[in-house]
Amino acid sequence: NAGVTQTPKFRILKIGQSMTLQCTQDMNHNYMYWYRQDPGMGLKLIYYSVGAGITDKGEVPNGYNVSRSTTEDFPLRLELAAPSQTSVYFCASSYSIERGTNTGELFFGEGSRLTVL
Amino acid sequence: DAKTTQPNSMESNEEEPVHLPCNHSTISGTDYIHWYRQLPSQGPEYVIHGLTSNVNNRMASLAIAEDRKSSTLILHRATLRDAAVYYCILRDVNGAGSYQLTFGKGTKLSVIP
Repeated sequence: NAGVTQTPKFRILKIGQSMTLQCTQDMNHNYMYWYRQDPGMGLKLIYYSVGAGITDKGEVPNGYNVSRSTTEDFPLRLELAAPSQTSVYFCASSYSIERGTNTGELFFGEGSRLTVL
Repeated sequence: DAKTTQPNSMESNEEEPVHLPCNHSTISGTDYIHWYRQLPSQGPEYVIHGLTSNVNNRMASLAIAEDRKSSTLILHRATLRDAAVYYCILRDVNGAGSYQLTFGKGTKLSVIP
């Protein structure tokens, strides 16, 4: 199993450009999440999904959009990039909470470092 | 959401035990206590979780106070590889936001050779 795979690992954008961060998982998890982490700070939830076709806003959704057409994929789109979106973005996935003996633990990707100039 | 309070940083000598504290005085009866850690330049990884009883796994032990208002993550013998930021998180499995884990700043653990 590859786990959670994010692409690209690094990207530099100009102000106003758009891009999509890709995230795919091969663990058949129904929950998926996007977090951002600014330097020296904790992670903040951007969007999450509890299954294909269902998405919802987290703590900091402004400036982002997501879709969940399949169980495996959960892309994050940045429209009109701004310097405030310079951050490291983490995608994660998990099973439903405490299903059977499952811990509900989140599995994270390695992150995508985005710089907006 | 119930909040947690952790020290910003801690130091430990290599091969010594480490006790990482977490206060959660407003914890509810359905909140599980989860710990994650984040190694440098990596995404967070799950360490351990518990509800009321102390828990052990291959990575660490979790000691939970009887009133559940505090907990301690115990690394029995710190290694250089344990240098990371450790996050203590409450997760209400019955709440509508049970999947929205809130990662604060955590405790940055430094391990001295």
